Amino acid sequence: AQSVSQHNHHVILSEAASLELGCNYSYGGTVNLFWYVQYPGQHLQLLLKYFSGDPLVKGIKGFEAEFIKSKFSFNLRKPSVQWSDTAEYFCAVGRDDKIIFGKGTRLHILP
Amino acid sequence: EAQVTQNPRYLITVTGKKLTVTCSQNMNHEYMSWYRQDPGLGLRQIYYSMNVEVTDKGDVPEGYKVSRKEKRNFPLILESPSPNQTSLYFCASTPAAGASTDTQYFGPGTRLTVL
Repeated sequence: AQSVSQHNHHVILSEAASLELGCNYSYGGTVNLFWYVQYPGQHLQLLLKYFSGDPLVKGIKGFEAEFIKSKFSFNLRKPSVQWSDTAEYFCAVGRDDKIIFGKGTRLHILP
Repeated sequence: EAQVTQNPRYLITVTGKKLTVTCSQNMNHEYMSWYRQDPGLGLRQIYYSMNVEVTDKGDVPEGYKVSRKEKRNFPLILESPSPNQTSLYFCASTPAAGASTDTQYFGPGTRLTVL
């Protein structure tokens, strides 16, 4: 079955640490890739997306993600996290008319 | 302000009592969708609509109905709610014809508890 896997369900980091959240998918063929973020008490918003072109995508708030086609991965990275990055992060894969979300990663940043 | 609105934001009801959660967007978006968010399961799509009078099932449509009579509105109907439908519900819209190809704009969520 087609799926989206986020490896880490809960991540705790100190401020200024580097972040990498994993995302793998099982779809074949051409896909569109998204990372959405949900800050505490707020609704989901787009962090970044990849449709084609440069596999290294830059998003808002210093986040970036790299699409590695051979590994079916779209990992999210940030070189130095801030307390305000505390949120839940969702990877999503779109293909045809469907979009499938991963189960999410809760990120806690310690001040 | 461009936005997706949902009402009510919080609802506690009892098993079997029909309810409707409204969703409205003021961005003239073609595509609208409903999701439920449950701990450890992420977001799962319930129903989506690519245009007026066009609706289709997502991954978890059982126990839900939707309608799209106008472009801006996409209500979610629970004809006979059950406790397993206790969840956080999000409505979303997309400018183009598919959430798989464009950014989704999410509403603030509706927290539903079915006793």
